[in-house]
Amino acid sequence: DTAVSQTPKYLVTQMGNDKSIKCEQNLGHDTMYWYKQDSKKFLKIMFSYNNKELIINETVPNRFSPKSPDKAHLNLHINSLELGDSAVYFCASSQVVQVRLPNTGELFFGEGSRLTVL
Amino acid sequence: GESVGLHLPTLSVQEGDNSIINCAYSNSASDYFIWYKQESGKGPQFIIDIRSNMDKRQGQRVTVLLNKTVKHLSLQIAATQPGDSAVYFCAENMGTGGFKTIFGAGTRLFVKA
Repeated sequence: DTAVSQTPKYLVTQMGNDKSIKCEQNLGHDTMYWYKQDSKKFLKIMFSYNNKELIINETVPNRFSPKSPDKAHLNLHINSLELGDSAVYFCASSQVVQVRLPNTGELFFGEGSRLTVL
Repeated sequence: GESVGLHLPTLSVQEGDNSIINCAYSNSASDYFIWYKQESGKGPQFIIDIRSNMDKRQGQRVTVLLNKTVKHLSLQIAATQPGDSAVYFCAENMGTGGFKTIFGAGTRLFVKA
């Protein structure tokens, strides 16, 4: 059983297209994230959702729209794809015990979705 | 975590030797630090963590040291094995209710057989 699963694993598309990446976690965690990893392996947080509510939006362009239909799912939709969007996108989840307390849990990552924009 | 330069820092060690991977973190308010290992084609995986009220924590073959005075974190791997070859990231939790974990630039570890 995969704890955090994301689909598709690979995505090749043309500039200007719209695409979605789906993520599901079966760990019962209350918080989910999207991270972007560039070609130099730098991992940057994009969004954080807690109990379906957006908590963190790290100055990500409006073309990126996350959606969390329930606690176990966090999907990422990207409009008008640009060359610079090419990267590996990682979904992750964790159990954040309580707001305003330090995070007590590790992040569990999916296998990543490699997006190539031509 | 530290984001320096244009290239991923690389550490090359002989199998059986000890490895030390260093990291400088940025925020004095961070109170929780984690080391992750990322193998090729996979997502990062938790190795070990440490809270700011500690300066050392040991796991199986791994030790994390925290120096809050100079905002420095290190990961020591004992008796490094070929399976340890990966990219290692330090990460800091920014304390904003726990929802934001910031990753450093990463260090690629090569283990020579």
